Amino acid sequence: AQSVAQPEDQVNVAEGNPLTVKCTYSVSGNPYLFWYVQYPNRGLQFLLKYITGDNLVKGSYGFEAEFNKSQTSFHLKKPSALVSDSALYFCAVRDNTGFQKLVFGTGTRLLVSP
Amino acid sequence: GAVVSQHPSRVICKSGTSVKIECRSLDFQATTMFWYRQFPKQSLMLMATSNEGSKATYEQGVEKDKFLINHASLTLSTLTVTSAHPEDSSFYICSETRGAIGYTFGSGTRLTVV
Repeated sequence: AQSVAQPEDQVNVAEGNPLTVKCTYSVSGNPYLFWYVQYPNRGLQFLLKYITGDNLVKGSYGFEAEFNKSQTSFHLKKPSALVSDSALYFCAVRDNTGFQKLVFGTGTRLLVSP
Repeated sequence: GAVVSQHPSRVICKSGTSVKIECRSLDFQATTMFWYRQFPKQSLMLMATSNEGSKATYEQGVEKDKFLINHASLTLSTLTVTSAHPEDSSFYICSETRGAIGYTFGSGTRLTVV
């Protein structure tokens, strides 16, 4: 079965510093990986995805993620964090069977301090 | 970009009543719509997958008679919480899929049952 692990419940970083939010996955077949951000009482906003191609994926708002097949990881990164980046971040993998639903990690809360 | 319109954003209802949540795909004919539930500080759990013109597919443990899903057209899917109880209070989010292109999420509905 497909699964995603986000080992950190919360990540704290100072504004201007680089940030990393970790994600590892398990999937049958080719991995289709996604990162979403959620602000309080809001739906999910798409940040980026990996389907195929370059291992370094660039997304919205200056975020990027590195796909590492050998480590089955897809960590989210940003070179310089902003206070406005504080939110809940979800990593997800597509189930390659059936209706191809998304399977989400437990989420990581990012807190960027001024 | 892709847009899924979800209404209402917030609803408070009395215990025992029913509540309908709508998701409209504004720029895409969504054959498949996913319905998720999110408890506070937790991840999104898939409840069911609705398909236009056919019965919804429910995840294990989800009561299909309580959470009625209708996908009568390619642009509208509805979730009705019947005989709501306080434990049904949650954040409900719909999502459409566009295959390899990705997934678009509604803005969510905060249901409070009093």
